[in-house]
Amino acid sequence: QKEVEQDPGPLSVPEGAIVSLNCTYSNSAFQYFMWYRQYSRKGPELLMYTYSSGNKEDGRFTAQVDKSSKYISLFIRDSQPSDSATYLCAMSAYNTDKLIFGTGTRLQVFP
Amino acid sequence: GAVVSQHPSWVICKSGTSVKIECRSLDFQATTMFWYRQFPKQSLMLMATSNEGSKATYEQGVEKDKFLINHASLTLSTLTVTSAHPEDSSFYICSARDPSGGPFYEQYFGPGTRLTVT
Repeated sequence: QKEVEQDPGPLSVPEGAIVSLNCTYSNSAFQYFMWYRQYSRKGPELLMYTYSSGNKEDGRFTAQVDKSSKYISLFIRDSQPSDSATYLCAMSAYNTDKLIFGTGTRLQVFP
Repeated sequence: GAVVSQHPSWVICKSGTSVKIECRSLDFQATTMFWYRQFPKQSLMLMATSNEGSKATYEQGVEKDKFLINHASLTLSTLTVTSAHPEDSSFYICSARDPSGGPFYEQYFGPGTRLTVT
């Protein structure tokens, strides 16, 4: 079993839709949870990070962490064609800088 | 924001030759840099962690003699793929840690280098 599981998609939605991206994990030591956006043939760009459980909102993006279920989510409101990319979740335990990535979900937002 | 560059962005080499990839932090000093490999439709896999002035720490299963990492300065780390073979063809991405952060140190990723071995 992989430490981090993520549905690879692809996920295709119309412009303006609410998008939900999810990851599950098995290592209860994970404390930091991140979402990265990666455009084709580019390096990942950090979108949001949260520490432990809870919600965090930044503009159209909301990250949720449910440690009891070992489940994290990223919601994108009012999705735009420019949001079309691969979204990777990543996690790390406390006091370590080693990131464990999911496989990424490819999102396409069509006009 | 912090910027990390990689050079080259794309390289094609013949089997048996060596290739060097550079990773630079442009506007901050990176005490730690990381090297990842990404196969198509797969996640980033950490290959090694390099700290300035010391030997790199390799992840299990990564051949240290094949993937030579040098972190000679606070702004430059290099990855040399020695005696490359077609199975080494992949997307190599570096990241750098900015030590001026708080308890959580954000990693800034470079744009990646696509290596094709023929």
